[in-house]
Amino acid sequence: AQTVTQSQPEMSVQEAETVTLSCTYDTSENNYYLFWYKQPPSRQMILVIRQEAYKQQNATENRFSVNFQKAAKSFSLKISDSQLGDTAMYFCAFMKHNTGNQFYFGTGTSLTVIP
Amino acid sequence: EPEVTQTPSHQVTQMGQEVILRCVPISNHLYFYWYRQILGQKVEFLVSFYNNEISEKSEIFDDQFSVERPDGSNFTLKIRSTKLEDSAMYFCASSGPLVWEAFFGQGTRLTVV
Repeated sequence: AQTVTQSQPEMSVQEAETVTLSCTYDTSENNYYLFWYKQPPSRQMILVIRQEAYKQQNATENRFSVNFQKAAKSFSLKISDSQLGDTAMYFCAFMKHNTGNQFYFGTGTSLTVIP
Repeated sequence: EPEVTQTPSHQVTQMGQEVILRCVPISNHLYFYWYRQILGQKVEFLVSFYNNEISEKSEIFDDQFSVERPDGSNFTLKIRSTKLEDSAMYFCASSGPLVWEAFFGQGTRLTVV
């Protein structure tokens, strides 16, 4: 079974500062995907960033980047130059590398950006 | 930009009643999913659907739940006899040939009273 753990239930950051959200996972799979999803107060799930496990290079998407440590099964999200609109719940998620497979989500980290 | 649409946004139902939650996935997508999120908890997988049949389901998805793609565009989740603990936000998602690129709808908040 796959499990995803987010050990930080709540975090806050000053506007324009950098924050890192932690995520660890457990799997026996070798090929898989990892994701960070953002859930603002509107409750919609929005994809922030994706990482394929076979890629050593860390994914980046504008102000968002990840630190993927496959051996340690760690997948942290760094948000640079935090903006007020980044305030949301952030979920780390795992998906096996088969077609039509399910996401396994962590319990989420509630991030508040302070003006 | 294409999006997954869910209706209604909020549904209130009495315990024991049947509810149908509706979703219109992105038109060229092949895989369809239902997830739920009980307030304050993590998002949980319910079921995935491909080629007109269920491909995976969780232990939450018992005999009270069913899914259907009745007309090639809609994707529905039916709960036959709702329980109080079914109260949650239900998310539909779809993905295309790039299976990892799943798009979520805005969710339907189901309240069972």
